[in-house]
Amino acid sequence: AQSVTQPDIHITVSEGASLELRCNYSYGATPYLFWYVQSPGQGLQLLLKYFSGDTLVQGIKGFEAEFKRSQSSFNLRKPSVHWSDAAEYFCAVKLVRGSTLGRLYFGRGTQLTVWP
Amino acid sequence: EAQVTQNPRYLITVTGKKLTVTCSQNMNHEYMSWYRQDPGLGLRQIYYSMNVEVTDKGDVPEGYKVSRKEKRNFPLILESPSPNQTSLYFCASRETELSNQPQHFGDGTRLSIL
Repeated sequence: AQSVTQPDIHITVSEGASLELRCNYSYGATPYLFWYVQSPGQGLQLLLKYFSGDTLVQGIKGFEAEFKRSQSSFNLRKPSVHWSDAAEYFCAVKLVRGSTLGRLYFGRGTQLTVWP
Repeated sequence: EAQVTQNPRYLITVTGKKLTVTCSQNMNHEYMSWYRQDPGLGLRQIYYSMNVEVTDKGDVPEGYKVSRKEKRNFPLILESPSPNQTSLYFCASRETELSNQPQHFGDGTRLSIL
């Protein structure tokens, strides 16, 4: 079955520490890949996206993500976390072929807590 | 300013009382969709629409209806709401079904069904 997996439900890091949030997908072809962030009480904000080309993509707020085809992964990273990064993060994929081209499939989210 | 607008933002109501959550976008997008967000489950698609008068079910359509009479509007209708529909709802739009551009999301509607 097609799926998007975020294996970490909750991650806690200290401010200034590095961060990596994992995302794996299971689809036949490389989909379009996205990371969204949701701050408490807010909607979803796009952090970054990958369609093709350079497998390391830069996003807003100092985030980056690396697409690894061999591992079907699209992990989100940040070298130094700020307290304002505390939020919930969602990985999402959009298929590039098939009957449901328009749909976004979301992972279950990873809640990030940042200690001062 | 490009935006997706949902109303209401918050609603507390009772079981069985029909309600409609409106969604409007000002970007002339063809593709629109509705999601519900529940703790630990992420966002799940309820319905989507590829264009005017073209709608289809997502992953969790039971208990919901939609309509797409105009390009800009995509209301979500709960004919007989039940407590298991208490959730946070998001409307989203994209230029077209095939576009690789990300979806624009509304700010969300928090529904509580008592």
